[in-house]
Amino acid sequence: DGGITQSPKYLFRKEGQNVTLSCEQNLNHDAMYWYRQDPGQGLRLIYYSQIVNDFQKGDIAEGYSVSREKKESFPLTVTSAQKNPTAFYLCASSIEGSGETQYFGPGTRLLVL
Amino acid sequence: KQEVTQIPAALSVPEGENLVLNCSFTDSAIYNLQWFRQDPGKGLTSLLLIQSSQREQTSGRLNASLDKSSGRSTLYIAASQPGDSATYLCAVRGAGSYQLTFGKGTKLSVIP
Repeated sequence: DGGITQSPKYLFRKEGQNVTLSCEQNLNHDAMYWYRQDPGQGLRLIYYSQIVNDFQKGDIAEGYSVSREKKESFPLTVTSAQKNPTAFYLCASSIEGSGETQYFGPGTRLLVL
Repeated sequence: KQEVTQIPAALSVPEGENLVLNCSFTDSAIYNLQWFRQDPGKGLTSLLLIQSSQREQTSGRLNASLDKSSGRSTLYIAASQPGDSATYLCAVRGAGSYQLTFGKGTKLSVIP
């Protein structure tokens, strides 16, 4: 089945710890995105990547880092510099340049211990 | 900066009713507008995408319209069913941008 997978479903972070959220897609999409969703808020863009080995900051990139070494994978690291990391994180992908929709993964809920 | 507003924030209707969800945006220079559905604790499912040059799109019982000049879109759901209960999100992609700007959503409850 084609789609986007995110793991883990739940992730717990201790104070001062970096954690990495996984996002994999087998849709052969060029572009991938990371969003953060807080209760009662719209989704906010953290980072996006249009092509392998290239990525751009979104509106709330501080305290986060990404890599795009393979077309299929776009992991997000939540660093200790992110002081309020508790949120629902959503990964998405799309075919760029054609106005196509973004397809979303099932999400990872990050909680702070 | 683009801002997207969805009204109402929550809506409860009896099964079988037709309903309209509203979305407004502040910058009319858009590339496209999308409507998504989100079930509790889940990711987003794309419902309809309207390009800036289009006026509406239809899929089954759903119809989305776009009035770019007034900065408005509506999502019409015909003959609502309990399975339609979810949060509906509107998102706008700006012209020349790869970013989607999302509204906060409308939480719909369809009562059997």
